[in-house]
Amino acid sequence: ILMTQFPATLSVSPGETATLSCRASQNVGSKVAWYQQKPGQSPCLLISDASTRATGIPARFSGSGSGTDFTLTIIGLQSDDFALYYCQHYIYQSQWTFGQGTKVEV
Amino acid sequence: QAQLVESGGGVVQPGKSLRLSCAGSGFPFSTRGIHWVRQVPGKGLEWLAVTSYDANYKEVADSVKGRFSISRENSKNTVYLDMNSLRPEDTAVYYCARDAGIYSGLPREPFDVWGPGTMVTVFS
Repeated sequence: ILMTQFPATLSVSPGETATLSCRASQNVGSKVAWYQQKPGQSPCLLISDASTRATGIPARFSGSGSGTDFTLTIIGLQSDDFALYYCQHYIYQSQWTFGQGTKVEV
Repeated sequence: QAQLVESGGGVVQPGKSLRLSCAGSGFPFSTRGIHWVRQVPGKGLEWLAVTSYDANYKEVADSVKGRFSISRENSKNTVYLDMNSLRPEDTAVYYCARDAGIYSGLPREPFDVWGPGTMVTVFS
């Protein structure tokens, strides 16, 4: 299963809303996670099961979608949110594929 | 809090072997599946291998099958990634990550804790 993210780069201003997209090559139900990766750091789980925020993740992060199309929305971007974001499916073991990432930049 | 720390990375010549370790702390290590993921600098994430909490289930990505293997020692709170016949294209940061499932015989959840990573450089 391929995960395709778009756009590759998203330019937004602080305080604005960022909408990131992820498309699966086949139906993955709601078994999609989103991760944030800041420069020089390891990824951090933001969202699981397409829409459930991980522990400690602010409410400005929200996920939606099912089947093949998924969205990560960040409302009121803060300086700390400018980073790389990856989607991942986990519907089948041994096939934990990630999207290629979307860079959110100022 | 829950932590994973990788070790064992370094510079190695093509064709050589390397063993990476992933040490867990701050949580019941023997209840969780552990994955290995790598990232070529400036590139995306590639899943490599997983072991279930009890090591009864192991899987390795097709891209490294036959060269990489995964094992664990719960008595030491450690998971290993043994890498053989290393190639320049194996140069990457290697992360271990915890599966979010508990006592899952078939780990199939997101990765809720990640280590800081260890760099492996395959260079002649």
